[in-house]
Amino acid sequence: GAGVSQTPSNKVTEKGKYVELRCDPISGHTALYWYRQSLGQGPEFLIYFQGTGAADDSGLPNDRFFAVRPEGSVSTLKIQRTERGDSAVYLCASSLMSGPRNGETQYFGPGTRLLVL
Amino acid sequence: SQQGEEDPQALSIQEGENATMNCSYKTSINNLQWYRQNSGRGLVHLILIRSNEREKHSGRLRVTLDTSKKSSSLLITASRAADTASYFCATDHGGQNFVFGPGTRLSVLP
Repeated sequence: GAGVSQTPSNKVTEKGKYVELRCDPISGHTALYWYRQSLGQGPEFLIYFQGTGAADDSGLPNDRFFAVRPEGSVSTLKIQRTERGDSAVYLCASSLMSGPRNGETQYFGPGTRLLVL
Repeated sequence: SQQGEEDPQALSIQEGENATMNCSYKTSINNLQWYRQNSGRGLVHLILIRSNEREKHSGRLRVTLDTSKKSSSLLITASRAADTASYFCATDHGGQNFVFGPGTRLSVLP
């Protein structure tokens, strides 16, 4: 595709519900990242995929958060038993191949704004 | 905790002036990148500087890196109203992920 797309653009849910956020990376990009951004803050790293596998999931805050990328392209971030503190913009980014060590440019999607009531 | 810290947190200048933003980080890095974010939108990559480089230029942007002080600066020359945005530095963290600072909010007044 032309760029990274994320769906939905906005999601409102109730505390305790389950949500799934989707990311479509740029075609051919093997590296995919999820971040969470609170108002007035920088993006906070959650998880990094290289292909189908999670190369680094150290940023996931707890076991309510899980992400998959089964075919090495589209990724889904899943949040169980949502809490009000999960409200944020969830950003996805992709890069061509080699990831953080080589400083490869990340291309960001517009984000999904999650509001937990 | 965040690896990068930008200062100032907010900066307001007149069109045509230069804007300088600084970033400090805590541990050794392989590279440092600067990104821009317009309100309500995703981040856009501006420039990369590697740990063995001291200065890079791209158009009106100049980035410096001082690994001994663990700091970087981003200079935007001849600023325009369209440069109004938040600017973030990002460092690789052990080469496995990126860590962003809290950002500098730049306002360029016409």
